[in-house]
Amino acid sequence: ETGVTQSPTHLIKTRGQQVTLRCSSQSGHNTVSWYQQALGQGPQFIFQYYREEENGRGNFPPRFSGLQFPNYSSELNVNALELDDSALYLCASSEGGGNNSPLHFGNGTRLTVT
Amino acid sequence: GNSVTQMEGPVTLSEEAFLTINCTYTATGYPSLFWYVQYPGEGLQLLLKATKADDKGSNKGFEATYRKETTSFHLEKGSVQVSDSAVYFCALTSGNTPLVFGKGTRLSVIA
Repeated sequence: ETGVTQSPTHLIKTRGQQVTLRCSSQSGHNTVSWYQQALGQGPQFIFQYYREEENGRGNFPPRFSGLQFPNYSSELNVNALELDDSALYLCASSEGGGNNSPLHFGNGTRLTVT
Repeated sequence: GNSVTQMEGPVTLSEEAFLTINCTYTATGYPSLFWYVQYPGEGLQLLLKATKADDKGSNKGFEATYRKETTSFHLEKGSVQVSDSAVYFCALTSGNTPLVFGKGTRLSVIA
């Protein structure tokens, strides 16, 4: 069974640029959730995708957007990067939409904005 | 809204010491409660969970009991090992809401 994989592992961008982070879900999982984990903080929910549709969103501005593909992999896009966007971005896959199935996390992408 | 409060770290213990990490919560409805662990350079792994009052979750020697009367879910282990060094997160979901995490507690176990 292949787990959740994220790419790249590390990324450095400049303020104002755009970034795309990628996530491959665990085999058999059709739901992907994205979280932002700032240094020294717990993960904060960004949004969830289920069957290629957004299925819930946290308190993040519209410049955070996402996609889910027919194979259930997902992208997180962030436009107009700000210094405060520097964080570990975690992807988690699960089954069946919603939040009642266990989340399986990837190792994250560490984004640094300078 | 839903929230989780954990004891602040870091917590430093000697090997074989007893561990308690406190967690209290505020939630609407009847939440499910979780402990996740994050080892250095890795994502989060589910350590244990409890879905109703008085349930005890357990895994790898760790235990936590869902206490509705005190809105708590404290993590305990009787004898910690160096390999338990990690960051521990308490979390909850209620009514199919996304997981809400505490800020995490860093545990360092020294030989």
